Amino acid sequence: DAGITQSPRHKVTETGTPVTLRCHQTENHRYMYWYRQDPGHGLRLIHYSYGVKDTDKGEVSDGYSVSRSKTEDFLLTLESATSSQTSVYFCAISGSSGGQETQYFGPGTRLLVL
Amino acid sequence: GNSVTQMEGPVTLSEEAFLTINCTYTATGYPSLFWYVQYPGEGLQLLLKATKADDKGSNKGFEATYRKETTSFHLEKGSVQVSDSAVYFCALSDPGSTLGRLYFGRGTQLTVWP
Repeated sequence: DAGITQSPRHKVTETGTPVTLRCHQTENHRYMYWYRQDPGHGLRLIHYSYGVKDTDKGEVSDGYSVSRSKTEDFLLTLESATSSQTSVYFCAISGSSGGQETQYFGPGTRLLVL
Repeated sequence: GNSVTQMEGPVTLSEEAFLTINCTYTATGYPSLFWYVQYPGEGLQLLLKATKADDKGSNKGFEATYRKETTSFHLEKGSVQVSDSAVYFCALSDPGSTLGRLYFGRGTQLTVWP
């Protein structure tokens, strides 16, 4: 199994509070991704990173920011959590940007915004 | 643009039944195609993939053939087991993209009864 951990695994928070989710990898992979999983939508890309300090937006980036100061860590921040951000968040990593490369997923973080 | 359409679930089968989960795609260029599986409470795992037309991906008794003429990548298994109960996601990645991002279908829940 790819060495990917996510923390916390579960979180309950209140509307309006900031929340930071962490993804940590031990594979030294260059590419990292944050997805959210919602019923009826599959997985949707929030943000991705192609190197330290190099990040860009995915299709559902509003209300989220990311940072990557080290190869192994990719942080996702909900600047002011809303109930619509209640979801399961998955981090993924990949060794290259090529479309043939497999992405490896972390175990997920369940976030409930009250 | 790129998109994936999967058959609606849930799918309920008896053990040893034949499984087909349909997947069709729309893509610019020549995508790679993937099936990921998500067991309860876990992240996604790669089940199989195919990177060019007429390729067949296979793993754990599952198979899928990349059909460019019908833009399809249907998942099949000849004899399902209770342990195959999971959510299955079809996905594509455009190798011409520098993002390496995946486009997912909505997922198909499979339940196998003994």
